[in-house]
Amino acid sequence: QKEVEQNSGPLSVPEGAIASLNCTYSDRGSQSFFWYRQYSGKSPELIMFIYSNGDKEDGRFTAQLNKASQYVSLLIRDSQPSDSATYLCAARGGSQGNLIFGKGTKLSVKP
Amino acid sequence: DGGITQSPKYLFRKEGQNVTLSCEQNLNHDAMYWYRQDPGQGLRLIYYSQIVNDFQKGDIAEGYSVSREKKESFPLTVTSAQKNPTAFYLCASSNGLAGGPHEQFFGPGTRLTVL
Repeated sequence: QKEVEQNSGPLSVPEGAIASLNCTYSDRGSQSFFWYRQYSGKSPELIMFIYSNGDKEDGRFTAQLNKASQYVSLLIRDSQPSDSATYLCAARGGSQGNLIFGKGTKLSVKP
Repeated sequence: DGGITQSPKYLFRKEGQNVTLSCEQNLNHDAMYWYRQDPGQGLRLIYYSQIVNDFQKGDIAEGYSVSREKKESFPLTVTSAQKNPTAFYLCASSNGLAGGPHEQFFGPGTRLTVL
């Protein structure tokens, strides 16, 4: 069974700190990885995707991928209360290329 | 504006009724998906379609049916055979499955409640 694992949290960080969200995946054939943000009662919105080992930066967000360790992370610098949401990690791979989603990590940024 | 629309936003169903959830996209995406989300859970794939007139079952297709008669439309029917249909239903689309990241974009969702 292909799985994506995330710590459910809640992860609580003070405003202005760095939030670190982690994700592991079981399918070594996974090619690309996605981070979605989901506010309560809303649909997921794409923050970033990454498919090469290393770091990818976009504004306050940095995605990190380590295929050897089957590990993906998302760093949020200068965290704001508006970043408080559930963050979903997803991996694409396998014969059909569908996304496998983790259950999400709930982040709370305290003012 | 390009995007994905879902209707209705809220839907109430009585036991034994079939209901159809609408999903429309004007992004010219080839692939469309239906997911179900339960409280505290991740997204589970119900059905997906890569091209018009073709679709495949996902991980939890029992009690659901779909059609893909037009590229921009992918309606989901929740049948009376689905024993626990109360959930948040999300439709997504992407520009294809093979190659590239092909990220998925989501509609606003339909919250279905069985009375």
